[in-house]
Amino acid sequence: NAGVTQTPKFQVLKTGQSMTLQCAQDMNHNSMYWYRQDPGMGLRLIYYSASEGTTDKGEVPNGYNVSRLNKREFSLRLESAAPSQTSVYFCAGGTGKPQHFGDGTRLSIL
Amino acid sequence: SQQGEEDPQALSIQEGENATMNCSYKTSINNLQWYRQNSGRGLVHLILIRSNEREKHSGRLRVTLDTSKKSSSLLITASRAADTASYFCATDASGGFKTIFGAGTRLFVKA
Repeated sequence: NAGVTQTPKFQVLKTGQSMTLQCAQDMNHNSMYWYRQDPGMGLRLIYYSASEGTTDKGEVPNGYNVSRLNKREFSLRLESAAPSQTSVYFCAGGTGKPQHFGDGTRLSIL
Repeated sequence: SQQGEEDPQALSIQEGENATMNCSYKTSINNLQWYRQNSGRGLVHLILIRSNEREKHSGRLRVTLDTSKKSSSLLITASRAADTASYFCATDASGGFKTIFGAGTRLFVKA
């Protein structure tokens, strides 16, 4: 009963480093999502993939890229990390509603 | 910009009391959802109410939706210490992929 699995759980980067956050789901969801959560704010959508082979920008896509590798996997890449990207990142999957979330990746950029 | 805004931002009650959280949104929606987030964990879906529904129940949860006022409320009855968490409303406009989350209400239930 893994659901949505995110790796790593924690990461510290230096400004300018690159990093890929991994997400995999075993719930056969068509759609997958990447959000970031900052203190005192709700989740903000970075990118989503409505179905395998498609990706679209969300509310805050700048500085990020995504890859929908197959139906199970949806990765988020930071090409050149900036301190403003310090956040908790959540991946979610869903076919219609509701969405099922992973437990997040806590990313700090120094 | 945030679509959903919860009120209050934080709520502290005694075990056994009822907890009410409110959510307001700005544009027309297909449905509204409530999620719970325990500290250090991802969001867990609680309940979904469609735009043509006015009230929905699930166990100790009662959700209302007033589309004329663009608002929803979540009532947790007979609260327990285990209900301590943050609660978020989320809305889907037409098209359905871009779910918009509010900033959340932090609920603390004292034993």
